[in-house]
Amino acid sequence: SQQGEEDPQALSIQEGENATMNCSYKTSINNLQWYRQNSGRGLVHLILIRSNEREKHSGRLRVTLDTSKKSSSLLITASRAADTASYFCATDSWGKLQFGAGTQVVVTP
Amino acid sequence: EAGVTQSPTHLIKTRGQQATLRCSPISGHTSVYWYQQALGLGLQFLLWYDEGEERNRGNFPPRFSGRQFPNYSSELNVNALELEDSALYLCASSLRQGTLSGANVLTFGAGSRLTVL
Repeated sequence: SQQGEEDPQALSIQEGENATMNCSYKTSINNLQWYRQNSGRGLVHLILIRSNEREKHSGRLRVTLDTSKKSSSLLITASRAADTASYFCATDSWGKLQFGAGTQVVVTP
Repeated sequence: EAGVTQSPTHLIKTRGQQATLRCSPISGHTSVYWYQQALGLGLQFLLWYDEGEERNRGNFPPRFSGRQFPNYSSELNVNALELEDSALYLCASSLRQGTLSGANVLTFGAGSRLTVL
């Protein structure tokens, strides 16, 4: 079973636009992480936000976390064709990391 | 520094056979995680090993098993293969065991694609 659920399942945007995806989860967490996967390969860690943080930035990435609503969002600003990938949220419940089903993002030139 | 390595890259088996997948973590990492990713789906948590012990297990039948060796490498065994076991099996390693103050950031291997015919 999935701990997190991403929304939307798929997103198609043009280069330069912003991409926003959301993640909802069910149980208490220690932290929440976002990963990217290109074409069925291994996942790459993007950013981590702890349960006592509300917002975090890393380059063109902005992550928010609302523990009262059990939800998080990932914003990619000024998207590029190279951002085309699947994005997954992962909830860390003291060591056990569970992933959502992912959001597939396609960025067209 | 070598990343997480998985072998084999591809494996083709028939129903009822056994499959063994291997994973070598990043040097210094003690935790190894296994995930199953069926085509077009998310990652399903399989197993978590740390310091040679199984720490947690996902909702999979007992024919999915594994172990972690003293050098922290790990092996995933799938017995009595079924068609629905066809998937990408991803291994990841991390430096720290989950604690209240720590955080597990996973480094993934490229995966082993298992096809069951």
